[in-house]
Amino acid sequence: TQLLEQSPQFLSIQEGENLTVYCNSSSVFSSLQWYRQEPGEGPVLLVTVVTGGEVKKLKRLTFQFGDARKDSSLHITAAQPGDTGLYLCAGPNAGGTSYGKLTFGQGTILTVHP
Amino acid sequence: NAGVTQTPKFQVLKTGQSMTLQCAQDMNHNSMYWYRQDPGMGLRLIYYSASEGTTDKGEVPNGYNVSRLNKREFSLRLESAAPSQTSVYFCASRLGDLHFGNGTRLTVT
Repeated sequence: TQLLEQSPQFLSIQEGENLTVYCNSSSVFSSLQWYRQEPGEGPVLLVTVVTGGEVKKLKRLTFQFGDARKDSSLHITAAQPGDTGLYLCAGPNAGGTSYGKLTFGQGTILTVHP
Repeated sequence: NAGVTQTPKFQVLKTGQSMTLQCAQDMNHNSMYWYRQDPGMGLRLIYYSASEGTTDKGEVPNGYNVSRLNKREFSLRLESAAPSQTSVYFCASRLGDLHFGNGTRLTVT
């Protein structure tokens, strides 16, 4: 069984601070995805990283896929209250490539205080 | 453009009662999925339907059944609800990436 462990589980910071969320596994994934979820809504896809060592940027968010494709990180620069939410990493099950059958991490709850 | 619509949004059941969670998508996607989300456990796949007419078990199928009624609709049925099925249920569809509905929050007492 593939597992994705996210850390930290909770993060409470002030507006303007930087933060990093980690997603780790002992298994190799063909790709990893990051989702953001707001209360009362479903997860929304932010990014997919496919190549080991890949770095993708989405405005103030930077996503990295580890060289060995076992881990990923999400870095937010100058966090804003609008970044508050649950961040989830996910990868295709059992070494597959389907983006429908996913293994999810347990999530990181981020709160950014004004 | 509604995307993925789930009904109801909230439901309270007593142990042993049955119910069906409804899901419909208007994006003409072939594949549809049911996940459950529990605190500290992320989302886990219950059942999926790769295309109209097919369904398969996911990671946690016990206690559930599904029906792919047509290309648009994929329902999840709890025949005899148990407190362990208290959760938030998400339906999703995909052509490439997953698109989630806004969930059904189910409490079984």
